[in-house]
Amino acid sequence: GDSVTQMEGPVTLSEEAFLTINCTYTATGYPSLFWYVQYPGEGLQLLLKATKADDKGSNKGFEATYRKETTSFHLEKGSVQVSDSAVYFCALTPYSGAGSYQLTFGKGTKLSVIP
Amino acid sequence: NAGVTQTPKFQVLKTGQSMTLQCAQDMNHNSMYWYRQDPGMGLRLIYYSASEGTTDKGEVPNGYNVSRLNKREFSLRLESAAPSQTSVYFCASSAKDSAHSGNTIYFGEGSWLTVV
Repeated sequence: GDSVTQMEGPVTLSEEAFLTINCTYTATGYPSLFWYVQYPGEGLQLLLKATKADDKGSNKGFEATYRKETTSFHLEKGSVQVSDSAVYFCALTPYSGAGSYQLTFGKGTKLSVIP
Repeated sequence: NAGVTQTPKFQVLKTGQSMTLQCAQDMNHNSMYWYRQDPGMGLRLIYYSASEGTTDKGEVPNGYNVSRLNKREFSLRLESAAPSQTSVYFCASSAKDSAHSGNTIYFGEGSWLTVV
């Protein structure tokens, strides 16, 4: 079945540091890929998504590029802020067919940014 | 601008008690979901409802039942709560307007359930 693997956390960075959170996936066909963010005490919010190979999703200074050749969707940000402290989840939905609207999640990576 | 609303936010149950988590969405979405979130496990799908009138099991359905009451509402019931069901529960919804899988799923704020 489909699966998502993301780097183990927690990740601690100083403010203005560069962030990379690795995410790789296993799926048949051409899944859609997502990054969700969960701030403390809140539900998950969509951060960005990409629906086909070589697409780049971006939002709030975060970026991720859908790489079919390496089955990856790594999250990056050039300069993190304290307010980016949260848990980040990589996820996918299958290409089509039954269950195409269901998300498969990675286990999450907790990011802490210190001033 | 409510989105997905779930209640209660916090609940403590004794083993063997029953309870229902309520969820409603105001985005006219066809599909609704219940997930549970446990430390180190990410989110796992309990049940989902692809459209009004249908429900299907997800990855971890044992010990739960669901009801899609109408297009807006999707409830999750624990008939006889067990300590293993201590978790954070998230309701979610999405529009399913085509076979393409790029639909965004919108989440509620979560319900923290403790079973003692």
